[in-house]
Order: sequence, then structure tokens, then C-alpha cells
Amino acid sequence: QSILTQPPSVSGAPGQTVTISCTGTSSNIGANHNVHWYQQFPGTVPKLFMYGNTNRPSGVPDRFYGSKSGTSASLAITGLQAEDEADYYCQSYDRSLSGWVFGGGTKLTVL
Amino acid sequence: EVQLVESGGGLVQPGGSLRLSCVASAFTFNSYEMTWVRQAPGKGLEWVSSIQSDGGSISYTDSVKGRFTISRDNPKNSLLLQISSLRAEDTAVYYCARVGGYNSFDSWGQGTLVTVSS
Repeated sequence: QSILTQPPSVSGAPGQTVTISCTGTSSNIGANHNVHWYQQFPGTVPKLFMYGNTNRPSGVPDRFYGSKSGTSASLAITGLQAEDEADYYCQSYDRSLSGWVFGGGTKLTVL
Repeated sequence: EVQLVESGGGLVQPGGSLRLSCVASAFTFNSYEMTWVRQAPGKGLEWVSSIQSDGGSISYTDSVKGRFTISRDNPKNSLLLQISSLRAEDTAVYYCARVGGYNSFDSWGQGTLVTVSS
């Protein structure tokens, strides 16, 4: 069971908007630690997709938005495209565990 | 372009040991904290261990404490993970990654597979 909670799956039709949630606690997200997101296609290496809650690395389309509030964070994808279909993981630092923690991952399916 | 290349994985019996290595290039290795992340087959990502740029501060996830040892050789641009007393649940692809801006893991190696089985 992961410290950060994500829905196992989300789906949407092309062009729609979907949101992936990441729920933590007062020891991690709620302790004002940054949230990062990683994208992983099957059989490939994870890639940093969003960092510092809201920042997109070079090459990530501006259809993707990160946000954080209280003990939760979200990754919103607007104008859904088939190429967005992948697994997405959130990550933060946990001060009680003195280490990083990941969410269990969310599989995004484009219908 | 940042490159991280892991090696050292393989098939090992329960209770056995392996030494994983990650060689870095195209960035100033001794300026960055480095980390290991693993992913069991069909499962999610799990942070394993991290070491600060000068090796002065080290941390581990609870499940590997006392069994895994992280270290680095800055002159050789290499990150090491000695894994011992291996259990079936340690079976995973082990990735090394660089800790970058906002403490995100901004560059990843291709991973090395560790399989613990008799």
C-alpha cells in the first residue's frame, strides 16, 4: 500500500479533460514538500513529467497542468490525445519516513 | 545529454548478494545527490536509497535498512548499491536517478534487473 494514494485508472475520450489525483498526509504533501509527476510507457524508463508542483520540463505539452492544495495534488490533462496513454506516478518527500514516497500509479486510458 | 548506465543485476538465490553500479556522464556528478528507485514486475515505483553529493548523508527505505548499502565514488562518476540478504520481494528493476531541481528525479538510467529466486 503506497503512502500517496492515486486512483488505479482514469480514462477519457480524445479531446476531453481528465484529472489524476494524488492524496497524501501532513507528513508529506501537507508538510509543504514539493510534488513531482512521472510518466512511464510500458516497458520504458520513467520520465520526469512535472516538478515542483506546477513546473513542466522542456518538451512536456502545455496541455498538462499540475496543482497542489493542502494534502493533495493533481495532474490535469486537457485536450486528451492517444499519445498521452501511459502510467503516471506522483512523488513527494515524507518527513516522518525521512525519504521519498511514490503514489501507486495511475493508468491513463484514452478511449 | 545526461547519461546514467546501470549494471550488476542478475539472478541470485535468496540470501545472496549483488553489487549494482551506475556510471554517470555529461554532468558534474559530484554536485548532485543521487538515488536508487526500484520497480517490481508489474508494480509501481519504490524509492530505495539516496546519497548526498559528498556522501555525507545517506537514507534508505525501511525495508532495505541493514541489508543495502549505498555509496559513491565521485572521481569515477559512479554510484553503487550493495544489496545483501536478498529476498524474493527484492526482485525488481533497479534504476539510478539524479536528484535535480526541487528535489525531483530528473534523469534516470535504463535500469538493471535483479531476480531473487532459487
